[in-house]
Amino acid sequence: NAGVTQTPKFQVLKTGQSMTLQCAQDMNHNSMYWYRQDPGMGLRLIYYSASEGTTDKGEVPNGYNVSRLNKREFSLRLESAAPSQTSVYFCASNGGRTDTQYFGPGTRLTVL
Amino acid sequence: GNSVTQMEGPVTLSEEAFLTINCTYTATGYPSLFWYVQYPGEGLQLLLKATKADDKGSNKGFEATYRKETTSFHLEKGSVQVSDSAVYFCALSEIFSGAGSYQLTFGKGTKLSVIP
Repeated sequence: NAGVTQTPKFQVLKTGQSMTLQCAQDMNHNSMYWYRQDPGMGLRLIYYSASEGTTDKGEVPNGYNVSRLNKREFSLRLESAAPSQTSVYFCASNGGRTDTQYFGPGTRLTVL
Repeated sequence: GNSVTQMEGPVTLSEEAFLTINCTYTATGYPSLFWYVQYPGEGLQLLLKATKADDKGSNKGFEATYRKETTSFHLEKGSVQVSDSAVYFCALSEIFSGAGSYQLTFGKGTKLSVIP
């Protein structure tokens, strides 16, 4: 079982460039999430999606957009990357009646 | 709002030593409590959870008890191994307005290094 997968694993961007981080889950989960992890900050929620077709802002949404393409896939887009967006990005999902979230392996993004 | 405060590291222990990582929380409702573990270069994995007061979560020799009176969920292990070296995150979960999605609030993480 693949669980939650993310691509790419690593990415280097220049300031102002755009890119999309991809996430997919094969657990038939309704809810999906994007977090960023910064040293000494724990994880902070960027956006989440309660179901296909719906998305909502989390704690730190500025500079990001998301798309819930279908039940399996939830993408995160940086339209104009900034050095402050250098971070490790994690996708997660949960479903059914459980509040346990399952995490992907992460994307390490550096913006120069 | 909700918050989680956990012991800051790094923590360095010798193999077979006793481990405690303190975690306290502030929440308006009745959250579930979690410990997640992150091994180097990997994502977060659920280590254990507890859903109500006095519940004890346990896994791989780790334990934590949901203490409502002290708003705590301390992680313990009687005898650590080198393979336990990782970053440990305490977290609490509350539902987003009945949508079936849950807000996870994390502590900042505690890095544990176990030396032979």
